[in-house]
Amino acid sequence: DGGITQSPKYLFRKEGQNVTLSCEQNLNHDAMYWYRQDPGQGLRLIYYSQIVNDFQKGDIAEGYSVSREKKESFPLTVTSAQKNPTAFYLCASSIARPGQGKNIQYFGAGTRLSVL
Amino acid sequence: GQQVMQIPQYQHVQEGEDFTTYCNSSTTLSNIQWYKQRPGGHPVFLIQLVKSGEVKKQKRLTFQFGEAKKNSSLHITATQTTDVGTYFCAHRDNYGQNFVFGPGTRLSVLP
Repeated sequence: DGGITQSPKYLFRKEGQNVTLSCEQNLNHDAMYWYRQDPGQGLRLIYYSQIVNDFQKGDIAEGYSVSREKKESFPLTVTSAQKNPTAFYLCASSIARPGQGKNIQYFGAGTRLSVL
Repeated sequence: GQQVMQIPQYQHVQEGEDFTTYCNSSTTLSNIQWYKQRPGGHPVFLIQLVKSGEVKKQKRLTFQFGEAKKNSSLHITATQTTDVGTYFCAHRDNYGQNFVFGPGTRLSVLP
């Protein structure tokens, strides 16, 4: 099955702890994205990556870090510097440039992060 | 940036009633996409519009892109409980790098 897999589905973070959310895709997409969604709210972009070994900050990158060592994987670390991490985190992927195929975003099922 | 606004923020309808959500931009958009997110789920792509005045239909859903390419609408005829969810409009920015999402319209359908 082609798609995006996020794990874990639920995650709990203790005070001062860093946690890492996994995102893997087998769609052969160059571009990957991380969004944060608070209850009843829209999607806010945290980080995005258009190509391996390169990534850019989105609108709310503070307190988060990412890496893109492989095309298939784009893990997100929620650091202890993120003081209000409780939210629903969505990973997505797409083709890198219009004209290369279907120009849409495919989303994973998400990870719900809560603070203990 | 090319932000998009959506109205209404919330809509409660009786099953069988029609529903419309609007997406507005202050600048011309090269494309508009619509996504649906069921409660507890993730956004799923519905459709993309790229031409001025374009209208597309998917069963009871009708999507429209304005003549000036600054607004779009999604109309659902005779809503069903399966239509419950949040509907987002989005577009790919001019640099082709990011997708910009509207804040969404949350639809509730009362049986």
